[in-house]
Amino acid sequence: DQQVKQNSPSLSVQEGRISILNCDYTNSMFDYFLWYKKYPAEGPTFLISISSIKDKNEDGRFTVFLNKSAKHLSLHIVPSQPGDSAVYFCAASAPTGGSYIPTFGRGTSLIVHP
Amino acid sequence: EAGVTQFPSHSVIEKGQTVTLRCDPISGHDNLYWYRRVMGKEIKFLLHFVKESKQDESGMPNNRFLAERTGGTYSTLKVQPAELEDSGVYFCASSQAVSYNEQFFGPGTRLTVL
Repeated sequence: DQQVKQNSPSLSVQEGRISILNCDYTNSMFDYFLWYKKYPAEGPTFLISISSIKDKNEDGRFTVFLNKSAKHLSLHIVPSQPGDSAVYFCAASAPTGGSYIPTFGRGTSLIVHP
Repeated sequence: EAGVTQFPSHSVIEKGQTVTLRCDPISGHDNLYWYRRVMGKEIKFLLHFVKESKQDESGMPNNRFLAERTGGTYSTLKVQPAELEDSGVYFCASSQAVSYNEQFFGPGTRLTVL
């Protein structure tokens, strides 16, 4: 029973174009959302986050949008670069017991073609 | 500053054997987390240490898994006896504070149980 769903296992984009990675969640108690990026044989690295009090957070080429009513968030990468090719994990946290443990999705593999 | 390190990077064992995974967190990080990713699935939380104490072990699958963090520095995760379904990548992460701050992940240990 997945609480965080990334329904697209893979995405292929041309260099310079926009990449849009989507994530849906079911737990209305989630109030903080994170995106992690993972290269092969490496651990996930934090990319960008957003609190539920916001609907947009931007950091350079990366923007995360949050639609609380739809329980949906998306990560936009503009412009996409070949070095962005990686697996992207969406994660969400709820303040349960103060541990802030993130619940992860299954990841979306992004391939950016030169 | 050194990141989170994990040893070994790969381990192949037979069903019924014992394996011990090690994680060295970033120096000064009191919080240490273990996660597991079965191929193609989500990254799942196993447990959380604050210093040497287990803060949350709700994700531990069963009593064949034993995690320790003696002295509040490095941690070990022992699987005894290993079963086929234990195969996956085991990630360790650490953070300085228990908050929404992102966790820093190690490269993972790929465990294959034959």
